[in-house]
Amino acid sequence: DAKTTQPNSMESNEEEPVHLPCNHSTISGTDYIHWYRQLPSQGPEYVIHGLTSNVNNRMASLAIAEDRKSSTLILHRATLRDAAVYYCILRDANSGGSNYKLTFGKGTLLTVNP
Amino acid sequence: DTAVSQTPKYLVTQMGNDKSIKCEQNLGHDTMYWYKQDSKKFLKIMFSYNNKELIINETVPNRFSPKSPDKAHLNLHINSLELGDSAVYFCASSQAYWGGTEAFFGQGTRLTVV
Repeated sequence: DAKTTQPNSMESNEEEPVHLPCNHSTISGTDYIHWYRQLPSQGPEYVIHGLTSNVNNRMASLAIAEDRKSSTLILHRATLRDAAVYYCILRDANSGGSNYKLTFGKGTLLTVNP
Repeated sequence: DTAVSQTPKYLVTQMGNDKSIKCEQNLGHDTMYWYKQDSKKFLKIMFSYNNKELIINETVPNRFSPKSPDKAHLNLHINSLELGDSAVYFCASSQAYWGGTEAFFGQGTRLTVV
């Protein structure tokens, strides 16, 4: 599985934008970039995913570098409810047994200050 | 309606017992998973099923036996429980196994073996 590198922790203030970085220098051309988050005492929750172009949804935006070796999850206005562990995960678009899973790393613990 | 539901939410049992965790998804997805989150918060894949067929068994002891009676259900049976089995177990599902689909997770089952 292609690996990702994220900072262990980040801090933000409420109602300010948050940029969560992820490095994936060994990404292959068919790897999708996924982001999940896990709020305290809950299951992981899908946030967003993309392949090459930047993506927006109601939760966040995903900015993908032109060479695809890094990406940034953007929370436009952090709220206290956004405090969670954020995981950046690569998932191959191709079929094959190894793709029948999401491989979670350590993620980034986001603290949001009131 | 909960998309992926697990029962029970909490399970406390003695060493040596046999227990089951049930999982149901109402999303019409083809692929289901079991993940284990240990005390250090690492999320690891245990099993993946696609259309009721086992695809991934990630070196899990054979005391753990998943069973998929139909596409909407993936249950986890654990024999001869050990202290090290204490963890939170998450069930998940996705429309397909490949890179462009998101996974939905249940709320988890906290298993404590005493």
